Amino acid sequence: TQLLEQSPQFLSIQEGENLTVYCNSSSVFSSLQWYRQEPGEGPVLLVTVVTGGEVKKLKRLTFQFGDARKDSSLHITAAQPGDTGLYLCAATTSGTYKYIFGTGTRLKVLA
Amino acid sequence: DTGVSQDPRHKITKRGQNVTFRCDPISEHNRLYWYRQTLGQGPEFLTYFQNEAQLEKSRLLSDRFSAERPKGSFSTLEIQRTEQGDSAMYLCASSGLSGIEQYFGPGTRLTVT
Repeated sequence: TQLLEQSPQFLSIQEGENLTVYCNSSSVFSSLQWYRQEPGEGPVLLVTVVTGGEVKKLKRLTFQFGDARKDSSLHITAAQPGDTGLYLCAATTSGTYKYIFGTGTRLKVLA
Repeated sequence: DTGVSQDPRHKITKRGQNVTFRCDPISEHNRLYWYRQTLGQGPEFLTYFQNEAQLEKSRLLSDRFSAERPKGSFSTLEIQRTEQGDSAMYLCASSGLSGIEQYFGPGTRLTVT
């Protein structure tokens, strides 16, 4: 069974702090996505990474795909209350289009 | 708005009843996916379609579940003889042929009492 483990599971920080969320697996992935989900809504796509070692930036968010395409990280600089939500990583393996989702990191940013 | 839409957003039903959910994908997308998400967990894959063909089904999709996409556009997910364990958020997503990026709808929250 392919598993995507995320850490930490929960994170509560003050506005302005930096944080990093990790997504790890023993499997190699063709692509990896990060989503943010708010209560009662569907996940919203933040970024897709496909190349080992790839780094993408989206304003205050920096995403990295591990060299071996088995892990990824999401770094948020100067967190804001609007960043609050459930962050999910999702990945596909070669030969299939279904996503395997991570266990999720629930982030709360306090004003 | 041309995103993925789902109907209804919420459904409360009694155990043993049948329910049907609808998903309308982004119009130019030919792949459509169904996932189920329980509280505190990430979504789990149920099934996916390429056009009208159902290409993959999870073992989570028991005999009581059936999904269709008759004309390669909208899709329906039916659950027969609902059980309390079916209570979850049912998410639909769609993608283009590359399949790399999936765009999700707002979900249908099912509560079985």
